[in-house]
Amino acid sequence: DIQMTQSPSSLSASVGDRVTITCRASQSVSRYLNWYQQQPGRVPKLLIYAASTLQSGVPSRFSGNGSGTDFNITISSLQPEDFATYYCQQSYTTPTFGQGTKVEIK
Amino acid sequence: QLQESGPGLVKPSETLSLTCSVSGDSISNSNYYWGWIRQPPGKGLEWIGSINYSGTTYYKPSLKSRVATSVDTSKNFFSMRLNSVTAADSAVYYCVRQFYGSGGDAFDIWGRGTMVIVSS
Repeated sequence: DIQMTQSPSSLSASVGDRVTITCRASQSVSRYLNWYQQQPGRVPKLLIYAASTLQSGVPSRFSGNGSGTDFNITISSLQPEDFATYYCQQSYTTPTFGQGTKVEIK
Repeated sequence: QLQESGPGLVKPSETLSLTCSVSGDSISNSNYYWGWIRQPPGKGLEWIGSINYSGTTYYKPSLKSRVATSVDTSKNFFSMRLNSVTAADSAVYYCVRQFYGSGGDAFDIWGRGTMVIVSS
């Protein structure tokens, strides 16, 4: 399995902050990298696929980039509904997820 | 929409069986695979396996010896069986739609999830 490591594991931020979460793969996954958001008590939701393509309906404050082994997702201006846990997932080989990054209210 | 169904409690060493009914979409759509992902309480996501309309499957290597999936295109549902369960298999189990594009695949539609506890 390709191991996916996210950093940080958690962060505290305020509404309006710019937030970046990093995901590193144990080997190259090209651009086969997706991001999901899981709000507390809710089902995970696809935000970004193929490293930088926004899923339909996802606000433009979310963006993703990267290739190879290093990726990130940025929220340009954190909104109250963005406090959640974010997961990266590679689809280069059999799917694996990062351990998650919890974004909490400061 | 996807909807999981199955027992909420399974005894250790027995087999966990779940079904996912698909509505508003055809499981025979060749653009998709249909998969299972689980999440132990308070922990992260783990992909289990996926199947397409023709029955082509692939599984997480560490679970491959214990898991099997099947699809019923006439009734538009797919199923998963996980045998020899232990407490470590206790989790919320999600069924998912997995789309394929030029940039790889992703899980774009998720069921609500069903909690399964393994306990005697």
